[in-house]
Amino acid sequence: DAKTTQPTSMDCAEGRAANLPCNHSTISGNEYVYWYRQIHSQGPQYIIHGLKNNETNEMASLIITEDRKSSTLILPHATLRDTAVYYCIVRFGATSGTYKYIFGTGTRLKVLA
Amino acid sequence: NAGVTQTPKFQVLKTGQSMTLQCAQDMNHEYMSWYRQDPGMGLRLIHYSVGAGITDQGEVPNGYNVSRSTTEDFPLRLLSAAPSQTSVYFCASSYELAGGYTGELFFGEGSRLTVL
Repeated sequence: DAKTTQPTSMDCAEGRAANLPCNHSTISGNEYVYWYRQIHSQGPQYIIHGLKNNETNEMASLIITEDRKSSTLILPHATLRDTAVYYCIVRFGATSGTYKYIFGTGTRLKVLA
Repeated sequence: NAGVTQTPKFQVLKTGQSMTLQCAQDMNHEYMSWYRQDPGMGLRLIHYSVGAGITDQGEVPNGYNVSRSTTEDFPLRLLSAAPSQTSVYFCASSYELAGGYTGELFFGEGSRLTVL
C-alpha cells in the first residue's frame, strides 16, 4: 500500500500560521486526502478533507498540489490548544469496493507561547 | 446519539487469556475499523469492515479476530493475549456517500489494554 510521508515534528509560534506538509505521491485519481489530529491520547479528530481543489473550513485550510502528490494543512492562527499530532491519510482501495484508512506516524506540532 | 462506544475503557489481562473489545455505533455507518496505538506511535490498522458480513485485514491483524454480524457492532477478539498486545485500541466508523466519497472517521474514546 502506498503511504503518506510527513515530517516527524514541527514548532510554530502562537498566533502564526502553521503549515504542515504531506507527501502522497502514489495517490490515485479518485482518492481523497484527509487530515486528523490527536490531542494527548484521545481519539483522533477530523479536521478537513479534499480531492483536487483547495478547501477551507472553520478549523483549517487544505492546499493540494495540481498533480495531487502532496498537500499542506494550514492552521491560520495557531493557538496553544492546537498542539497535537497531525495525521495526513489517504483512503486506499477506493475503486475496489473495499477500502481502508492507513495512518502514518504523523507530525507532532508544538505551538510555542 | 452516542456516536462510537467502546467497552471496556480499561482492562488488565494475563498472558494467554482471551477477551473481546466491544465497539458499537448508532450512526448507521457501513464502515467500521479497529486500530491500535502503542506509546509514542501512530495508529496501525488491525481489521476493518465495509459492511455487515464483510471483514478484511489491516496492517497488523495477527492475534486478533473480528466479525460483523450487524451494522452496529464490530467486536475485536484477542484469542490468547500476549504482552506485545499491550496498547490503546481505537474503534472508528464512517459512512459512504454517492460517488464513492466516504465521510470522515468517527472515533471512540479508546480501550486501554495491559497484558501482564
